[in-house]
Amino acid sequence: SAVISQKPSRDICQRGTSLTIQCQVDSQVTMMFWYRQQPGQSLTLIATANQGSEATYESGFVIDKFPISRPNLTFSTLTVSNMSPEDSSIYLCSVGGTGDVKLFFGSGTQLSVL
Amino acid sequence: GQQVMQIPQYQHVQEGEDFTTYCNSSTTLSNIQWYKQRPGGHPVFLIQLVKSGEVKKQKRLTFQFGEAKKNSSLHITATQTTDVGTYFCAGRAGGTSYGKLTFGQGTILTVHP
Repeated sequence: SAVISQKPSRDICQRGTSLTIQCQVDSQVTMMFWYRQQPGQSLTLIATANQGSEATYESGFVIDKFPISRPNLTFSTLTVSNMSPEDSSIYLCSVGGTGDVKLFFGSGTQLSVL
Repeated sequence: GQQVMQIPQYQHVQEGEDFTTYCNSSTTLSNIQWYKQRPGGHPVFLIQLVKSGEVKKQKRLTFQFGEAKKNSSLHITATQTTDVGTYFCAGRAGGTSYGKLTFGQGTILTVHP
């Protein structure tokens, strides 16, 4: 199993600002993902964070809005840029280990945009 | 694109009653996973089903994967208050073990003591 530390756990931000969410894993993992979960809703994949190359974004999500970094196999960041109230959501980091196709999730970042 | 539909959206039961949630995919799946999310928590992996017609049990939980690998169900026998939470199915498209997981909408289970 993987232990994931995600921070901040929550934040309240002003419209137009940006927030960077960090995800640290206690072991090297092949796959790292960023999900969004709106209140009472399902999980929507934002992007796959690729180590050493640009992230792979899902339909409806773009790099300018959600820039992602993954400098190594244990760490990634997701930035929510130029925020609006519609970005209020829970953002979850998730990892899948080599040879282990199940996902482990971080505790999430609850973002509120005023 | 692939869609995974899950019903019901909500289920309220009395403690001791059974509970079932159903998951249907628009496309054939390579495998399907189930996750549980406690209120205020993050999703936690429960199980993965891979084979057509597969049935797996975990204590009071029974998981099934349809013959066509397009649907799945989770059945809980004699619910307990500890079963409260949201249950998600997540399907992986056919042909890959590491492909994208598509989550269903989830079933929110409340258990009245």
